Formats: sequence, structure tokens, C-alpha cells
Amino acid sequence: GENVEQHPSTLSVQEGDSAVIKCTYSDSASNYFPWYKQELGKGPQLIIDIRSNVGEKKDQRIAVTLNKTAKHFSLHITETQPEDSAVYFCAAISGSARQLTFGSGTQLTVLP
Amino acid sequence: NAGVTQTPKFQVLKTGQSMTLQCAQDMNHNSMYWYRQDPGMGLRLIYYSASEGTTDKGEVPNGYNVSRLNKREFSLRLESAAPSQTSVYFCATTWGAGWNEQFFGPGTRLTVL
Repeated sequence: GENVEQHPSTLSVQEGDSAVIKCTYSDSASNYFPWYKQELGKGPQLIIDIRSNVGEKKDQRIAVTLNKTAKHFSLHITETQPEDSAVYFCAAISGSARQLTFGSGTQLTVLP
Repeated sequence: NAGVTQTPKFQVLKTGQSMTLQCAQDMNHNSMYWYRQDPGMGLRLIYYSASEGTTDKGEVPNGYNVSRLNKREFSLRLESAAPSQTSVYFCATTWGAGWNEQFFGPGTRLTVL
């Protein structure tokens, strides 16, 4: 089955700086890669996703890059703000499966 | 629209007790999922249902059973709770197959003593 590894497990940045979270996956057939944000006491919420036919996708301050050859994808948050503080999860799904495999999460703290 | 609702929000059980976690959605989605979330381990899939009347095992199904009662409701049952089942449980839904946004409920925090 799919295996997704996520790094780092914790990340602290100064407000206004950029944050980068990286994930690797094992199944070369995987073709959908979402990122979820989980605020304290709530369920995860999708913030951005990318499909295997695209190398990069941006949405305002958030971007995701995908390198299928190396089997890794990354989340980039620019101009971080205190409200970006949360746990972020990457995930992957293979073409034959109906289930997401999640990474172990990154606790992002934006320091004022 | 309520989206995805879960009951109860909190529950404490003794070892060996049984209980059912309820999930309901008003998004008219076909697929529904049950995950558990443990510190440092992300979310792990317990069971899922691709459509009404079908259920399939996920990564960690042992000790659990599920019922897809109708299109709206998907319940998770612990027949004989164990301390290892102490976790936060999330229900999620999506339209179509798994390659779309999943919408999560607020979670149920379960403690088994």
C-alpha cells in the first residue's frame, strides 16, 4: 500500500517569513495529493490539492509543488500570519484506491 | 446546511463496554469514511463506504464494525472497547470516489479506561 512521510513534525517561523513542509510517497501510481489544515479542536479542512498532471499550483499565499520523478511534493506558505498556526497534513491517493493515506502532520507555529 | 455532524463529541468508556459513533451528512455525497487520529500518526482509515449498501476495510479495521444505514448516515461500532481504541474519531464525506475534497466532521474524543 501507499506510505506517506512528512517532515518536519514541528516548524516555527516568524510572522512574515515563509514556511515549507515536505512529503514523500511510495506508490508511483498515486495521482492526487491534497493538503489539509487542522485547527485546534476541529476536523481537517482542505486548503489546496494537486493532481499528477500538474507540477505546481498556487492559491494566494499558498502553493504546492509536485515532483513525480522523485515522488515528493511540498507545501509553501508565504508571508505567514498568526492565523496560519495549525497542524498541516499531506496525503496521497493512488489511481486504484478509494482511500487517502495521510502523512503524520506538521505543527506550524507562526511567532508574532 | 450542517455539513457533517458527529455524535457524541466526547465519551468515556470502561474496557469491554460497547458504543456506536454516529455520523450524518447533508451534502448528498456518495462516499463516507471513518478515521482515527492519534498523536504523531496522522489520520488512519478504519472503514469506508463508497456508496449506500457497501463498506470496505481501511488500514486499521480490527475491533470495529460499520453500518451504512442510508446515504446520509454512517455509524462506527466498538463491540468491546479496549484502551488502545482511545483516540479522536473523525467522519468524512466526499462526492464520487476518493480523488476529491473530503469534508470532515468535528470529531469524537473517546477515552477507554
